[in-house]
Amino acid sequence: GQNIDQPTEMTATEGAIVQINCTYQTSGFNGLFWYQQHAGEAPTFLSYNVLDGLEEKGRFSSFLSRSKGYSYLLLKELQMKDSASYLCAVIRGGSQGNLIFGKGTKLSVKP
Amino acid sequence: DAGVIQSPRHEVTEMGQEVTLRCKPISGHDYLFWYRQTMMRGLELLIYFNNNVPIDDSGMPEDRFSAKMPNASFSTLKIQPSEPRDSAVYFCASTEGGQPQHFGDGTRLSIL
Repeated sequence: GQNIDQPTEMTATEGAIVQINCTYQTSGFNGLFWYQQHAGEAPTFLSYNVLDGLEEKGRFSSFLSRSKGYSYLLLKELQMKDSASYLCAVIRGGSQGNLIFGKGTKLSVKP
Repeated sequence: DAGVIQSPRHEVTEMGQEVTLRCKPISGHDYLFWYRQTMMRGLELLIYFNNNVPIDDSGMPEDRFSAKMPNASFSTLKIQPSEPRDSAVYFCASTEGGQPQHFGDGTRLSIL
């Protein structure tokens, strides 16, 4: 079967670091995306991992372990505007279209 | 550059009515996707097209749903007849192969 698991909600403090985990089980794997979605808005692309390891992009980093079916998104120096849902999505198989999304983690950043 | 454009932004209609959602992908993108998002089920892929041809419609919930892409710059998602359980936010997204998908602002659909 196919399954993507993320925590439903997380809370963190402004200026802190937070790690959002994602585990997946899919038949075939061709890469993993992280998207950010503010309430009432469209998802926007954050990062893409296809090989094991850490991808860093400013305050955001994403890690992938294909053998463990595991990824995390690391947000540093949290800002209030980082309050949003973070969606993990896996490309299954060989086609761009087979993108399966997790239900998202709602992050609340407190002052 | 214009992003993915969806219309209408909001739609409220009564059960049994036909609903048509529209999408204009980013120019040059050869993939177009229709998603539905609800609190319970999250973001679900309904159907996607490559070069205007439907590739996978296994996510379309039932025969009441249909989608077309008559040309590279326009797609529709139709629900006929609509039911209250179809209430959701419907997103259209586009991409060119291997690149991240770009999402439209969505259509918030309420079926009374």
